[in-house]
Amino acid sequence: SQQGEEDPQALSIQEGENATMNCSYKTSINNLQWYRQNSGRGLVHLILIRSNEREKHSGRLRVTLDTSKKSSSLLITASRAADTASYFCATASLEYGNKLVFGAGTILRVKS
Amino acid sequence: DGGITQSPKYLFRKEGQNVTLSCEQNLNHDAMYWYRQDPGQGLRLIYYSQIVNDFQKGDIAEGYSVSREKKESFPLTVTSAQKNPTAFYLCASSMRGGGSGANVLTFGAGSRLTVL
Repeated sequence: SQQGEEDPQALSIQEGENATMNCSYKTSINNLQWYRQNSGRGLVHLILIRSNEREKHSGRLRVTLDTSKKSSSLLITASRAADTASYFCATASLEYGNKLVFGAGTILRVKS
Repeated sequence: DGGITQSPKYLFRKEGQNVTLSCEQNLNHDAMYWYRQDPGQGLRLIYYSQIVNDFQKGDIAEGYSVSREKKESFPLTVTSAQKNPTAFYLCASSMRGGGSGANVLTFGAGSRLTVL
């Protein structure tokens, strides 16, 4: 399985701190995406990073990709209580028909 | 506003009954997907459709059926053959087919099915 695995499973931080979540995968990928899910809701796309990219930014979000280590990280800077959610990485590879495969997610809790 | 509408939000089913979950999108997206989410797990792909009148099985299609008669609609039927149907079901769409990884997914708000 090429399923991404997020680490840690759960993370609790204080408002204003940075949050880092990691994702590891097993096969070569075309791209890796990060999604956010508020409790009981659908997922919302955050960032897509292609296999030939190493870093992308979007507002307070920074994503890195290391294809040699088959890993990615999502950094949320200056976290807010509203960032409390589950965060999922999803990978796409030709070996898997380019279909997105989601990891189990990291539950982030930001305490105010 | 453009988006994906799933209904109902909550659904209760007795064992042995079939139920149908609705998914409608007004984004003019070609591809649509159904995922199942269980507590503490990632999303698993049930079925997907890249074009009208065509659909393919995902990883866990057994006990489910779909249709794609219109571009806007992709209903999912959970049949009595699905032995453990209690879960959160998510519908998604993307601009074009070629596999969901080719594009960003837009998700609906989900439907929670509980078997009594």
